[in-house]
Amino acid sequence: AQSVAQPEDQVNVAEGNPLTVKCTYSVSGNPYLFWYVQYPNRGLQFLLKYITGDNLVKGSYGFEAEFNKSQTSFHLKKPSALVSDSALYFCAVRDGDSGGYQKVTFGTGTKLQVIP
Amino acid sequence: GAVVSQHPSRVICKSGTSVKIECRSLDFQATTMFWYRQFPKKSLMLMATSNEGSKATYEQGVEKDKFLINHASLTLSTLTVTSAHPEDSSFYICSAYSIGQGMSGNTIYFGEGSWLTVV
Repeated sequence: AQSVAQPEDQVNVAEGNPLTVKCTYSVSGNPYLFWYVQYPNRGLQFLLKYITGDNLVKGSYGFEAEFNKSQTSFHLKKPSALVSDSALYFCAVRDGDSGGYQKVTFGTGTKLQVIP
Repeated sequence: GAVVSQHPSRVICKSGTSVKIECRSLDFQATTMFWYRQFPKKSLMLMATSNEGSKATYEQGVEKDKFLINHASLTLSTLTVTSAHPEDSSFYICSAYSIGQGMSGNTIYFGEGSWLTVV
């Protein structure tokens, strides 16, 4: 079985400060990891993913995430937060060793509030 | 990135009637699509996995006869809520799995969601 934990329901950060949204995962095979963002009353938008290669992955809107295999983490980061980054963020994982399609497991989401 | 279109974005229906929501992958073929229900205060609940040309796989606790899923082509899956009741009112989101290599491969892309209100 695979799982994702987003330990923080909400993260508050001042505009201009760096932000981190935490994610840890558990999967039996090679992890494929994803971050999505959801704005109010909208669907989820894909931000970035880690499949293989460099542990530091850069994505949309200046976000990046670092894959840490030993800590089984994939924290989302941004050097300088914007008020417009305020949204709900979901981390997700799937087992990359499974052939074809394998169910993706989502975390429970973290609400990011950037304070002006 | 790949685009998934969901329609309608909002729908109001009377209790006892049925309503259909469409999910289309616009620029890629999706053999697998997913339907979620999102409850207030964020949690996403996977309802079913829709496979092109075969029956959908429902998650435990989801009524197959109430939430009919059809994946008739590689770019279209539909969710029909039958005999809708007020408790079915929710935000429904579809997604499609983009296979293959490249930037958009091995990734799930989401539609914009559909607000269903049953009165």
